[in-house]
Amino acid sequence: AQSVAQPEDQVNVAEGNPLTVKCTYSVSGNPYLFWYVQYPNRGLQFLLKYITGDNLVKGSYGFEAEFNKSQTSFHLKKPSALVSDSALYFCAVTQGDSSYKLIFGSGTRLLVRP
Amino acid sequence: DAGVTQSPTHLIKTRGQQVTLRCSPISGHKSVSWYQQVLGQGPQFIFQYYEKEERGRGNFPDRFSARQFPNYSSELNVNALLLGDSALYLCASSPQAGAIHEQYFGPGTRLTVT
Repeated sequence: AQSVAQPEDQVNVAEGNPLTVKCTYSVSGNPYLFWYVQYPNRGLQFLLKYITGDNLVKGSYGFEAEFNKSQTSFHLKKPSALVSDSALYFCAVTQGDSSYKLIFGSGTRLLVRP
Repeated sequence: DAGVTQSPTHLIKTRGQQVTLRCSPISGHKSVSWYQQVLGQGPQFIFQYYEKEERGRGNFPDRFSARQFPNYSSELNVNALLLGDSALYLCASSPQAGAIHEQYFGPGTRLTVT
């Protein structure tokens, strides 16, 4: 069965410091991996995805994520955090280009303090 | 351009009642997916529709049903409501079927069952 784990309920970081939000996955076959962000009272917004190719994926708002097949991880990173990055972040996985189900993790709340 | 719209924004129902939630996708998008997000958890996949046909279904009871109309809008119906159905219901659209494509989420309908 496919699953996604986000081991940290909350990540705290000071503005200007690098941030990492962790994600590990379990899926048989080739995974397709995603990061979405949810701001208060708003729907989820797509940040980036890994389908194939370069393990380092760049996305919106300066975020990037690194796919590590041996560690089954897809951590979200940003070199310099902004207060406006404070939000709820979700990692998601699907399997195969014929899959219709996107499996989400439980979410990690990112709090960037000034 | 208008994003994904959902109605109503909030809804309060009593156990045993039935509810219909509505979603209008982004213009040109033919795929609509529905997710349930219980407080403190990640979204859970309910359905995906493409070209008016159900393409995928998550692990939800038969009390949950949906349909897609010729204009690609969609309705989610839930019968015999339970307290556990209280959640934020998210609709997402994408140009094509399949979970590998970027999903554009609406703001959601918050359903409270008392």
